[in-house]
Amino acid sequence: DTEVTQTPKHLVMGMTNKKSLKCEQHMGHRAMYWYKQKAKKPPELMFVYSYEKLSINESVPSRFSPECPNSSLLNLHLHALQPEDSALYLCASSQSIGASDTQYFGPGTRLTVL
Amino acid sequence: DAKTTQPPSMDCAEGRAANLPCNHSTISGNEYVYWYRQIHSQGPQYIIHGLKNNETNEMASLIITEDRKSSTLILPHATLRDTAVYYCIVRSRTGNQFYFGTGTSLTVIP
Repeated sequence: DTEVTQTPKHLVMGMTNKKSLKCEQHMGHRAMYWYKQKAKKPPELMFVYSYEKLSINESVPSRFSPECPNSSLLNLHLHALQPEDSALYLCASSQSIGASDTQYFGPGTRLTVL
Repeated sequence: DAKTTQPPSMDCAEGRAANLPCNHSTISGNEYVYWYRQIHSQGPQYIIHGLKNNETNEMASLIITEDRKSSTLILPHATLRDTAVYYCIVRSRTGNQFYFGTGTSLTVIP
């Protein structure tokens, strides 16, 4: 089973709202990732977690706050977002951050900020 | 980190082989080449990866040149369901980060 699940599939929020995106995997993977993808553009890496610790933050604004409560779960907390943050948010996982570890992606959450 | 260059778009007739090229001239010796595809608005799907040798699985074949500066993904018998954006990625040498290039939009024509 190489499934990564993400909820919700779609999310509409106002600029003053607080919401969270959820990602889950049950493959025993110890590395998890958040990517952001704008329309007609490739995915851009946001965060990398390794063994539940944040190992990479690609200079993402603080209105995006990741959390990894356990090895199977990854959250992305959203607060005071801007309309330009509207995008497809993708989660991925891999066995580790070591060499040749394949990343498996979830279906994404389509976020619209009004 | 090595960058990749791919043609922006390609067409392929249904049932024919689709050959998607990728240049990665700055790749270093321990960096893997990965291929993913993304069907409209879905998450990227893993296809295949390799280091030096050619690789084949149930989905595709990956041919890597001897100098490792370029590679070709081969879909042996393209179907309409293979229409997607195909990304060639060289994984970061410092970890497992993926930095996607702009990809090739493959259209399989009936």
